[in-house]
Amino acid sequence: EVQLVESGGGLVKPGGSLRLSCAASGFTFSSYSMNWVRQAPGKGLEWVSSISSSSSYIYYADSVKGRFTISRDNAKNSLYLQMNSLRAEDTAVYYCARSSAEWELLHPFDYWGQGTLVTVSS
Amino acid sequence: EIVMTQSPATLSVSPGERATLSCRASQSVSSNLAWYQQKPGQAPRLLIYGASTRATGIPARFSGSGSGTEFTLTISSLQSEDFAVYYCQQYNNWPPPFGQGTKVEIK
Repeated sequence: EVQLVESGGGLVKPGGSLRLSCAASGFTFSSYSMNWVRQAPGKGLEWVSSISSSSSYIYYADSVKGRFTISRDNAKNSLYLQMNSLRAEDTAVYYCARSSAEWELLHPFDYWGQGTLVTVSS
Repeated sequence: EIVMTQSPATLSVSPGERATLSCRASQSVSSNLAWYQQKPGQAPRLLIYGASTRATGIPARFSGSGSGTEFTLTISSLQSEDFAVYYCQQYNNWPPPFGQGTKVEIK
């Protein structure tokens, strides 16, 4: 069974940093591209970042470019999102999600974690 | 950057009735369009990809159609568990944005 479990969310002050993790199991993690998607309270879904299976290709939304860094450790079956210079507008539930096709980066997201809440407030 | 626009924002439907949701892309995305369902407090679930292919385990009452810039998600006979928010997403070009969502509520 495919499982994605996020962790690392919490309350942080504006300008602060946080590192999110996503532990994957039930599939060959190293074969799939992975993604972060966020959802502000009461709002819709916003794609944040994607990383290819070997980390060769990385993409970011303009809203987080230069502040967030996506990475992965295939040996640990884990995905990460380092978030720096956090702003109030970064407050959201952050989901990790798997791209649905092996070796394909730009593909629908077929499995999602339960999300971790990040709150940026003084 | 492609913009995805969904309509209507809210759709009020009685159980057993048909629901038709629309999604428009600001430029052609071919058939690289997915639909997701999200219930309160839950993660989104992939319903449709390739504009018309149901994901694993998705009931046949869900169907997708369209190509290019105009897409439709149809729920043929709404069940109680179908009342939720539905999002479209294009994956033809970077970035892969979502539409703003359509909430399907009980009439």
